[in-house]
Parts: sequence; C-alpha cells; structure tokens
Amino acid sequence: EAGVAQSPRYKIIEKRQSVAFWCNPISGHATLYWYQQILGQGPKLLIQFQNNGVVDDSQLPKDRFSAERLKGVDSTLKIQPAKLEDSAVYLCASRREGLIGYTFGSGTRLTVV
Amino acid sequence: DQQVKQNSPSLSVQEGRISILNCDYTNSMFDYFLWYKKYPAEGPTFLISISSIKDKNEDGRFTVFLNKSAKHLSLHIVPSQPGDSAVYFCAASFSGSARQLTFGSGTQLTVLP
Repeated sequence: EAGVAQSPRYKIIEKRQSVAFWCNPISGHATLYWYQQILGQGPKLLIQFQNNGVVDDSQLPKDRFSAERLKGVDSTLKIQPAKLEDSAVYLCASRREGLIGYTFGSGTRLTVV
Repeated sequence: DQQVKQNSPSLSVQEGRISILNCDYTNSMFDYFLWYKKYPAEGPTFLISISSIKDKNEDGRFTVFLNKSAKHLSLHIVPSQPGDSAVYFCAASFSGSARQLTFGSGTQLTVLP
C-alpha cells in the first residue's frame, strides 16, 4: 500500500509569514494525526482527526495554528504568523481502525528565520 | 510533564554486539508500548510493540521487555548491525487517550563496524 504523503519536504520562511503543509494519508485510514518534532525532542501531538472531525486539538496553539481535514481524506496544517520557535519537522501520520501503531509520512522540515 | 522518558540521548555499540535501549514511563494507564526507528530526513517507522499484559515480545533480532512494576521497558537488538544506526523512539498509549501516542525524546544508536 502507498504510504503517507506529505509536501513540501522543506520550507524556509521569515518570521510573521504564513505557511501551509499538506498530508495525504493511507487510503482507508480514518484517523489522522499531526505531530511537531523539535530538534532533539520526541514528536509532540498537535491535533487528531477521526474522518473529518477533530478528536483532540488541545495542544494546538490556536492563535496561530489551524488544521482541517477535507472530506475525511487529505489534511492541511497552517501556521499564521510563524515564529522562530515554530522551526521543527511537522509529521503527519495515519492509523487504521483497530490498530495501535501509526504510519508516518516523511515530514516537512520548517525553518523560520 | 514528560510521561515517557529516554534518559540516554546516545548509545554506541560494536557490530555484532547487543544494543540495549531503555525507556521509563510515569503514567500507569499506558497499556501499549511501541518502538519506532527514525533515519535522517525520514519519518519514524514502526519497529515492535508490546501490550501491557505481556512482559516480552520478540521479532527476529529485536526483543522488547516490559517491567510494569518498575514502569520500564527496554529494546534489545542482537546482533547489532551498522544499518541499525538510527534514532529510536519509545512511545506509549492507552485506550482512554483515543490511542494517541506519547513519545520519548529518542536515543541515537550508532553501530560501529
């Protein structure tokens, strides 16, 4: 089966600019996650979707981050305006119902200068 | 509050020897534990998991041990190979958290030829 697709792979922006990331999960995976991984740390959950509904966005900085999942398939994560501390790898993952483990995409490395 | 801790940021072992990676957790509600491996510029990939009703799970060269009383798990790789060089993340979940994974900060394993 095809993996989780993410784009772009890399992005460099100036602080206060906006940026968007895109994720296409594995077909049939109802649950989709966005994680933020800062260098030297483990991935930290930002938001979890079940189909096109939000299950948990308690750790999403909603003053600047937003996310949506279109028709329960693709998802986009947006940051507006970006801060220096948003520099990180943004990982999208999906999970099939009944399984515990996720499948991760390759991530988008964001550098805010 | 770090619920999953990997206290060794790095580990070096000789090819052919055993690699032991350790992980501690604080949340007694965790009932499933996973190890992920991550190469540079790639997303984490699932390696092996263990349910809290077991104390050992084996898959080829990889074995995970769980000590619930000590809230400790370890990953053993025998024999270690240069291709095992990667960052290893310990992760945990419980059913009440909608199966979200909480990750440790990772251990960089280097297998020396």
